[in-house]
Amino acid sequence: GQQLNQSPQSMFIQEGEDVSMNCTSSSIFNTWLWYKQDPGEGPVLLIALYKAGELTSNGRLTAQFGITRKDSFLNISASIPSDVGIYFCAGLTYNFNKFYFGSGTKLNVKP
Amino acid sequence: SQTIHQWPATLVQPVGSPLSLECTVEGTSNPNLYWYRQAAGRGLQLLFYSVGIGQISSEVPQNLSASRPQDRQFILSSKKLLLSDSGFYLCAWSPDNSNEKLFFGSGTQLSVL
Repeated sequence: GQQLNQSPQSMFIQEGEDVSMNCTSSSIFNTWLWYKQDPGEGPVLLIALYKAGELTSNGRLTAQFGITRKDSFLNISASIPSDVGIYFCAGLTYNFNKFYFGSGTKLNVKP
Repeated sequence: SQTIHQWPATLVQPVGSPLSLECTVEGTSNPNLYWYRQAAGRGLQLLFYSVGIGQISSEVPQNLSASRPQDRQFILSSKKLLLSDSGFYLCAWSPDNSNEKLFFGSGTQLSVL
């Protein structure tokens, strides 16, 4: 299947700091999605991106759809303890039926 | 509004026993349905997806099977569980014809002992 390379694998930051993570692929995607997963729960959709170059915000979260359609990044500004969790990117292929996921970025925030 | 239900939340099964996990979606018609598996601390692996009743596509060869007996019902099964089938199983749905977003259920933690 498709491979999405997500980095970094994990991050340890201080409360109030900004965070950036990204996903890259050798394949082109039509849609990029970003999720947050808490332990023992299903991932929750944070941001959806549909056009190359698109920049979308959701509160303190900002994500961009790369111009080449092969990458996307997620920024979190002024992190707070409840931002702790695992963040996943997901890409939708051209046949519109399969979403593929990155391996996740585990975020730890120190109060 | 649309909701997705997945059960059970946790399951402990002996090796060689059968499996049946159920997922239902409410508030939408003809959704695309998905089963993913997540190993501890890892990403999500797509197992099966379905674009309609009786239509199942398998992503990886394995000990599992999926069925869609009704429009909004998706079932993950196994005749004989293996130790390697342990993991966190997630059902998900996306709107028909747009696939713009993917929404997940709360997951089933399966432990095969």
